[in-house]
Amino acid sequence: SQQGEEDPQALSIQEGENATMNCSYKTSINNLQWYRQNSGRGLVHLILIRSNEREKHSGRLRVTLDTSKKSSSLLITASRAADTASYFCATLDAGGTSYGKLTFGQGTILTVHP
Amino acid sequence: DGGITQSPKYLFRKEGQNVTLSCEQNLNHDAMYWYRQDPGQGLRLIYYSQIVNDFQKGDIAEGYSVSREKKESFPLTVTSAQKNPTAFYLCASSIWWGTGGFDQPQHFGDGTRLSIL
Repeated sequence: SQQGEEDPQALSIQEGENATMNCSYKTSINNLQWYRQNSGRGLVHLILIRSNEREKHSGRLRVTLDTSKKSSSLLITASRAADTASYFCATLDAGGTSYGKLTFGQGTILTVHP
Repeated sequence: DGGITQSPKYLFRKEGQNVTLSCEQNLNHDAMYWYRQDPGQGLRLIYYSQIVNDFQKGDIAEGYSVSREKKESFPLTVTSAQKNPTAFYLCASSIWWGTGGFDQPQHFGDGTRLSIL
């Protein structure tokens, strides 16, 4: 079953604007990861945030995690046309039969117009 | 450069035919994974292996089989029992959490697109 639900499903912005994508999940997690997928390619790992962390930065990326609301957001600042891709959140489950498994959301398609 | 190689890039299957997708990694990772991605969807786990000669079913294993005879290789066979095999198949690897802790990203190949003839 899909753990993560992402919002919005698609996002279209102009170069230079910020892009925010949200992810919600249902069960207890060990960490949450964000991946990027260019069309027809494999996924590339962007950033990982542990369940005991609230915010993490990497270059133009900022990730927040609210475990009380079981949600995370990915902010891309000063977006570029090259940021056009699908973005997926993935949660590493912390218990039960899914222990140690990474479960992916359905993704947000980001289009950045030059 | 280290990475994951999937082949072929495109594959066509006839009715009643088994086909095998190749996945090779030179990252020295213990854990390997197979995912299926349908259009506009996220990834669903088919099989995973944490160590050589051992593998576990994922969420959608029916109609698929795997082997893990070498650390570097984790081939996936799509059998004729899989009635809807058309999808994009992604292989990934990582350091196993049992040895390296939980903060292990997965590294992906560039996928194999399987279609029905």
